[in-house]
Amino acid sequence: DAKTTQPTSMDCAEGRAANLPCNHSTISGNEYVYWYRQIHSQGPQYIIHGLKNNETNEMASLIITEDRKSSTLILPHATLRDTAVYYCIVRALHAGGTSYGKLTFGQGTILTVHP
Amino acid sequence: DAGVTQSPTHLIKTRGQQVTLRCSPKSGHDTVSWYQQALGQGPQFIFQYYEEEERQRGNFPDRFSGHQFPNYSSELNVNALLLGDSALYLCASTPRGTDTQYFGPGTRLTVL
Repeated sequence: DAKTTQPTSMDCAEGRAANLPCNHSTISGNEYVYWYRQIHSQGPQYIIHGLKNNETNEMASLIITEDRKSSTLILPHATLRDTAVYYCIVRALHAGGTSYGKLTFGQGTILTVHP
Repeated sequence: DAGVTQSPTHLIKTRGQQVTLRCSPKSGHDTVSWYQQALGQGPQFIFQYYEEEERQRGNFPDRFSGHQFPNYSSELNVNALLLGDSALYLCASTPRGTDTQYFGPGTRLTVL
C-alpha cells in the first residue's frame, strides 16, 4: 500500500482556513486519496476523496498536486468543532489493488482550533 | 434515516471469555468492514464482508471471526479474549455500488 506522511499536529485560529498537508509520494495510478477525521472517542467521519482533480464539498476542499505525490485538505473557515485527528489515506478502488477494500490509517494530524 | 449503528456501546469482559459485537449498516449499504482501534492509535482493519462472505482480511488471528446476515447486518466475534483486545471496535458500511466507508460510533471493549 502507498504510505502517507502527515505532520503530527497543527494549530489553527477559529475562522481561519486550516490547510492540512499529506505526502503520498509512492501513490499508484489506481489509488485515490481519502480524508477522514475522528473527534475524540467517536467513529471516523468521511470528509472527501479524489483521484487527480481538485474536489470540493460542503465540508472541505481537496487539492492534489499534478504529480499526485502530495495533497492538501482545506477547511475554509475552521471552527472549534473541527478540532480532531485528521487522517489522509491512499486506497485503491479496484479489485486487484493491494489496498482495495480496506482503509489503512496512520497516526494522522491532530488539528487544534483555537478561539 | 439512521446512520451506521453498533451495539453495545460499552462492554466489559474477562480474559478467556468470548464476545459478540453487532453492526447495522445504513439503509442502502451492502458492505460491512470492521476495525480495531487501540488507545492512541489509528483504526486497524480486521475484515470486510460482502454478500455474506468475508472478502478481505487484515492481520488478525483466527480468534476474530465474523458474519454477515441477509439483511446486511454483521457480527464480530472474538474468542479467548486477551487483555490486548481491549479497544474501540468500529464498524463501517459502504453504499451499494460505491466504495466510501461510513463509520458507526464504535463499541468500547474492556478486557480485565
